[in-house]
Amino acid sequence: GAVVSQHPSRVICKSGTSVKIECRSLDFQATTMFWYRQFPKQSLMLMATSNEGSKATYEQGVEKDKFLINHASLTLSTLTVTSAHPEDSSFYICSAKSGGPYNEQFFGPGTRLTVL
Amino acid sequence: AQSVTQLGSHVSVSEGALVLLRCNYSSSVPPYLFWYVQYPNQGLQLLLKYTSAATLVKGINGFEAEFKKSETSFHLTKPSAHMSDAAEYFCAVSDPYTGGGNKLTFGTGTQLKVEL
Repeated sequence: GAVVSQHPSRVICKSGTSVKIECRSLDFQATTMFWYRQFPKQSLMLMATSNEGSKATYEQGVEKDKFLINHASLTLSTLTVTSAHPEDSSFYICSAKSGGPYNEQFFGPGTRLTVL
Repeated sequence: AQSVTQLGSHVSVSEGALVLLRCNYSSSVPPYLFWYVQYPNQGLQLLLKYTSAATLVKGINGFEAEFKKSETSFHLTKPSAHMSDAAEYFCAVSDPYTGGGNKLTFGTGTQLKVEL
C-alpha cells in the first residue's frame, strides 16, 4: 500500500506556543488529505479535509484560526496548532488519498502532542 | 447523518479461538463500510471494505466481515486468533454518494486482547 508519513511523531510544547505537524505522501500524489484527532480511548474525529491548492474544509466545531491547515503541494499538508493549550493535547492523525472519491485513504502513523 | 456503534470496547480471546468484533451502523441508505486496525503508536491500516458488491468481504490477515442489511451490521470475524492480532480495531462508515474515499465516520474502537 501507499505510504504516508508524519513529522514529528511526538512533540511537547509550552502553553501559548504554536506547533506545526507535517503529513507527507511518500510514493503517490495526494489530491486530498484529511486531519483527524484522537483522544485517549476514543475514536478518530475528522477535523478537516484539504484539497491541494484549495482552502481546507473544517468540520463543525473545529476552530479554523486555531488549527491552520495548508496543503501547498500534492505530497505535503501541514497542520499548525496555534497558541496551544493543554486541552489541545491529543493524537493527531492524517490520511491521504489520490484520484477520485472512491479511492482508499492511507493513514499516517500519527503525532502525539502534549501541551504543558 | 451516519453513525457507527461498536459493541464492546474490550474483547479478550484465547489464541486459536474465534474472533468476533461487532459493528452496527445507522444510515438512511446502505453505506460503504470499513474495518481498520491500529497497532500502538501507529496509524490505521485497512483490513477490508464493503462497497455494495459481495456481502461477504475477505480482508487481510485472515479477517472477513459480512454486511447484513436486515441487521444493519458489519461484524468482523477471524476463525483462529493469533497473538499478533492484538490491536485496536475500528469500524467506519462513509456515504456512498460522495465516494468511499471521502469522509469517514469511525466507531469508538474495540481493543482486542489475545491470550495464550
